[in-house]
Amino acid sequence: GAVVSQHPSWVICKSGTSVKIECRSLDFQATTMFWYRQFPKQSLMLMATSNEGSKATYEQGVEKDKFLINHASLTLSTLTVTSAHPEDSSFYICSLIPGLAAYNEQFFGPGTRLTVL
Amino acid sequence: QKEVEQNSGPLSVPEGAIASLNCTYSDRVSQSFFWYRQYSGKSPELIMSIYSNGDKEDGRFTAQLNKASQYVSLLIRDSQPSDSATYLCAVRESGGGADGLTFGKGTHLIIQP
Repeated sequence: GAVVSQHPSWVICKSGTSVKIECRSLDFQATTMFWYRQFPKQSLMLMATSNEGSKATYEQGVEKDKFLINHASLTLSTLTVTSAHPEDSSFYICSLIPGLAAYNEQFFGPGTRLTVL
Repeated sequence: QKEVEQNSGPLSVPEGAIASLNCTYSDRVSQSFFWYRQYSGKSPELIMSIYSNGDKEDGRFTAQLNKASQYVSLLIRDSQPSDSATYLCAVRESGGGADGLTFGKGTHLIIQP
């Protein structure tokens, strides 16, 4: 499967600060990356689809001005949680699909655990 | 709204037995179906993908898809304690890669030694 890295693996920040999470594809180029969020005991929820060179597409209910996504290259997408609050504490996971062919599987990064105090 | 339903469990299975995990989905146009395994505190790991009606086998794992019934299942043969995890069923509307996945809440599987 594809190799996906995320940085940092965990972060603790104060309420009101911003946090940037990086998602990198290590062994191929990805035109599309996805960002998910998982609260404790809950399933993964798709937040947004990140497209290289264009604006991200956000799911209903996800604030695009709060969760800033930048996909500046084919191997890197970043998610910035702006003015983070305790309710933003969650497990943030990126994923991507190798290649452009149909029926490709989606591979996940190791995740970033965000705790907002 | 797309929904993917799974029994949350826990499902307890003796070591060496067959574990059977089930999933139903609401969006009839869904084309791609996946099973992921997630250990506590970790991100999901792809186990199986299935796109056509019928069975698909890979080692100890067999995925079954019935689009008419909107039903997907995963069988794990010769269950091992290391199979203990939460199994997530995921569905994608398209066959291609541009869409994100809709996940169920997962079934917590416990393999008893």
